[in-house]
Amino acid sequence: AQRVTQPEKLLSVFKGAPVELKCNYSYSGSPELFWYVQYSRQRLQLLLRHISRESIKGFTADLNKGETSFHLKKPFAQEEDSAMYYCALANNAGNMLTFGGGTRLMVKP
Amino acid sequence: DTAVSQTPKYLVTQMGNDKSIKCEQNLGHDTMYWYKQDSKKFLKIMFSYNNKELIINETVPNRFSPKSPDKAHLNLHINSLELGDSAVYFCASRLAGAPPYNEQFFGPGTRLTVL
Repeated sequence: AQRVTQPEKLLSVFKGAPVELKCNYSYSGSPELFWYVQYSRQRLQLLLRHISRESIKGFTADLNKGETSFHLKKPFAQEEDSAMYYCALANNAGNMLTFGGGTRLMVKP
Repeated sequence: DTAVSQTPKYLVTQMGNDKSIKCEQNLGHDTMYWYKQDSKKFLKIMFSYNNKELIINETVPNRFSPKSPDKAHLNLHINSLELGDSAVYFCASRLAGAPPYNEQFFGPGTRLTVL
């Protein structure tokens, strides 16, 4: 069975501070991981995926297979980063995403 | 606009009623999903259809019945609504067989309130 854990329900930081949203996964196959973001009362949208090794809006995430983690990081948080962030794991068939419980990021001025 | 759309955006109804939520995507995708986001923002898959065939059904009560008339549409019908059905329901779609990217595209959500 696949499982995604986001241990923090809420993360509150000041503008300009570094941010790390934690994500741990459990999966017997080869993991494919994503971060989705949901701004207030909006749809979920893909932020980034591990396979692309990209940086979007200053966010990066590195897959650490040893620690089974895919933490999301940003060196300097902005107020517009305030949102719900979901870590998600795709199964091998790619037809199912399992989401973590989500972390609400609040960036204070 | 190429996107996943849902109607209605808001739905307020009484317990015991039957209601439907519609979803359409014009992205040319062949796989569609329904997710439920509860009051604690926990997001859980309910159903998935590929080419109009049900491929995932995650222990959802029989009162929920998805219907896919074609690849571009996946509707959700809910019978005998209960208070616990109050949630935001998201539709999503994906193009199967397009690894390594298995990105799902989400609709704007339907906020269902059962009184």
